[in-house]
Amino acid sequence: SQTIHQWPATLVQPVGSPLSLECTVEGTSNPNLYWYRQAAGRGLQLLFYSVGIGQISSEVPQNLSASRPQDRQFILSSKKLLLSDSGFYLCAWSVPRFPAGNTIYFGEGSWLTVV
Amino acid sequence: SQQGEEDPQALSIQEGENATMNCSYKTSINNLQWYRQNSGRGLVHLILIRSNEREKHSGRLRVTLDTSKKSSSLLITASRAADTASYFCATPRRGGSQGNLIFGKGTKLSVKP
Repeated sequence: SQTIHQWPATLVQPVGSPLSLECTVEGTSNPNLYWYRQAAGRGLQLLFYSVGIGQISSEVPQNLSASRPQDRQFILSSKKLLLSDSGFYLCAWSVPRFPAGNTIYFGEGSWLTVV
Repeated sequence: SQQGEEDPQALSIQEGENATMNCSYKTSINNLQWYRQNSGRGLVHLILIRSNEREKHSGRLRVTLDTSKKSSSLLITASRAADTASYFCATPRRGGSQGNLIFGKGTKLSVKP
C-alpha cells in the first residue's frame, strides 16, 4: 500500500531563517506531488505541483520554492522566511491517471510558526 | 473565482442526529470530492462523485451532485462524536493537471455526545 511521510511535524523558525520541509511517498511510481498551505481558519491553497523529477509548477508567487530531486521526494524550501509564511503545510500525492488521478492523498502536515 | 464554497461554515449537532453540508461551485466539472480533516491533521479522502452520478453512498455517508445547480451535499447519518472534524469539497482545477484540485474553506462540524 502507498504511504506518504512528511517532516518535521512542527517547527518554529525566526524571520529571515531558511526552511526545508521534506516529503516522501512509498508504494507508487511517478506520482503527481503537491504542496498545499492552509492558513488558520482558511481553506487550502495549492503552492506547487510536480508531474515528474525536476518538473515544478508554481501556482502563486511567493517566498517559497519547491524541488523534486527524486521520483518520490518533494521538498519545500525558503531562503529567508517571512512572518506571513506561517501556516500548516501539507504534502500530497495522486496517481497521474484519470479518474483515480483526481483523488489526492495527504500527509499529516507540518506546522510552521515564523517568529 | 473560487470553486467549492461550503455552507454552513460551522455546524453543531447532537450525537445521533444527521448532519448535512452543502457545496456550490461555479464552472463545469467532471467530478467532485469530499475530504475530512481532524483538527491539526492532514486531509482524508471520503468520496468522489462523477458528473454523471446523482448520488453515491459510502457507509453512513451520502453524497449528492446536482450539476444543473452546480451544487453537492454531504449527509452524515446517525452522527457520532468521532465525526467531529472539518469537511471540504474539492473540484478539479480547470486546465490543471490530474489531481490539481481547488478546495473550499470547509464546514466545521461539531458532534456533541
